[in-house]
Amino acid sequence: DAKTTQPTSMDCAEGRAANLPCNHSTISGNEYVYWYRQIHSQGPQYIIHGLKNNETNEMASLIITEDRKSSTLILPHATLRDTAVYYCIVRSYGGSQGNLIFGKGTKLSVKP
Amino acid sequence: GAGVSQSPSNKVTEKGKDVELRCDPISGHTALYWYRQSLGQGLEFLIYFQGNSAPDKSGLPSDRFSAERTGGSVSTLTIQRTQQEDSAVYLCASSTSGSSYNEQFFGPGTRLTVL
Repeated sequence: DAKTTQPTSMDCAEGRAANLPCNHSTISGNEYVYWYRQIHSQGPQYIIHGLKNNETNEMASLIITEDRKSSTLILPHATLRDTAVYYCIVRSYGGSQGNLIFGKGTKLSVKP
Repeated sequence: GAGVSQSPSNKVTEKGKDVELRCDPISGHTALYWYRQSLGQGLEFLIYFQGNSAPDKSGLPSDRFSAERTGGSVSTLTIQRTQQEDSAVYLCASSTSGSSYNEQFFGPGTRLTVL
């Protein structure tokens, strides 16, 4: 699976959009971009995933660049409960294994 | 519906003792994963089950670690002769199958402290 690079930490004001970047310059054609987050003292939680088209669900939006070498997770109206470590993970599609390879992630602090 | 549950939530043990950690996956999920997270570190994959078999044990750090799954459901992670470096949060996750595009649902973890 391709390696990802994320900033160590970010701050965001409550109510504002949080934009979390991720670089995955070595991504290959059959690899998806996944985002999970881990709120303090909890297990990780799935947020969203995508291949090349932008995706949106009730939690967030995922914007993937045309060359697929980077992506941005957008929390449109961040709340204090969104304070967590956010992990960007690139995974091969359709493989029979499926374990997640976590990096260090981005610690997002939402401030009042 | 019920999510992934793990027990105990906290375990304190003395160095050299054996411990067993339990994971109850979501009903019907055939794939089950164990990870661990040491203080200030990212999550580290340990072992993957598809049904009752474990096609990938490559993440187990030593032969003191073993895991089994019975009835395609409950899994137990056993650590023998615990060492202080085994102290970590042990997380279990399950998914509908082992295919890599399936969302994994994580339990709350077991915090293991080895004195």
